[in-house]
Amino acid sequence: QKEVEQDPGPLSVPEGAIVSLNCTYSNSAFQYFMWYRQYSRKGPELLMYTYSSGNKEDGRFTAQVDKSSKYISLFIRDSQPSDSATYLCAMKGKLIFGQGTELSVKP
Amino acid sequence: DTAVSQTPKYLVTQMGNDKSIKCEQNLGHDTMYWYKQDSKKFLKIMFSYNNKELIINETVPNRFSPKSPDKAHLNLHINSLELGDSAVYFCASSPQWGSGNTIYFGEGSWLTVV
Repeated sequence: QKEVEQDPGPLSVPEGAIVSLNCTYSNSAFQYFMWYRQYSRKGPELLMYTYSSGNKEDGRFTAQVDKSSKYISLFIRDSQPSDSATYLCAMKGKLIFGQGTELSVKP
Repeated sequence: DTAVSQTPKYLVTQMGNDKSIKCEQNLGHDTMYWYKQDSKKFLKIMFSYNNKELIINETVPNRFSPKSPDKAHLNLHINSLELGDSAVYFCASSPQWGSGNTIYFGEGSWLTVV
C-alpha cells in the first residue's frame, strides 16, 4: 500500500463549480499536510499548509484534515480556468507526495 | 529573481552517456533536495542535503551522485544513462531541515534518454 493515495483524475469541471480533491494516507505519524499546485511545465508551488485537524481557509481554497480517518481534502470554490493544474497533496516527516490530480476548469 | 534555478531545462541524450544537472538557490536556505517526477506525475525524493551534508539518500541507483559544493548549490550527476532515467528532475530547497519547513521547487529539468 502506498503511504499516500490520490486519485490522478483527470477531473474536468465547468467554471464556477466547487472542486473537491482528496488524499488518504496510511502513516499516522504524519503531522504536516500540504497541497501543492503544479502548472504544466512548471515546478510545484505551495498552495496550502495545515498542521492540525479541521479546516483552513485561504480565499477560494479550503484545506480540510481529518487525522482520525487519515483523510485530507482541498476544496476550491468558484473555480476558474486559471485553476487548471495538477494538485498534489503532501505529508511530512519526510515530504511524501500523492500522485497528483489533474484538474481542468472549462470556461 | 528566480529563487531556485536549475539548468538545463531540457536535455536529450543517448543511453550510456553521463550528464549533470545544476541547481542553485538564492534564498539563503540550509537544505536542498532532488526530486524525480515520472510520467505518471509521481514526485519522489531522491536526495537531501543540509548545510552540504547528505541526510537523505533514498533507494536510488548509485549511477546518481549528488554534489553540494556549498549550501546554495546542489548538482546531480548521472552516469551511464538508461531509458528509465527519462523523467523530470526537480531541485528544491527549504529554510532548514525539519518537518515544519516549506519546500520551494525549481522549474524542473526535463531529461529524455534515447
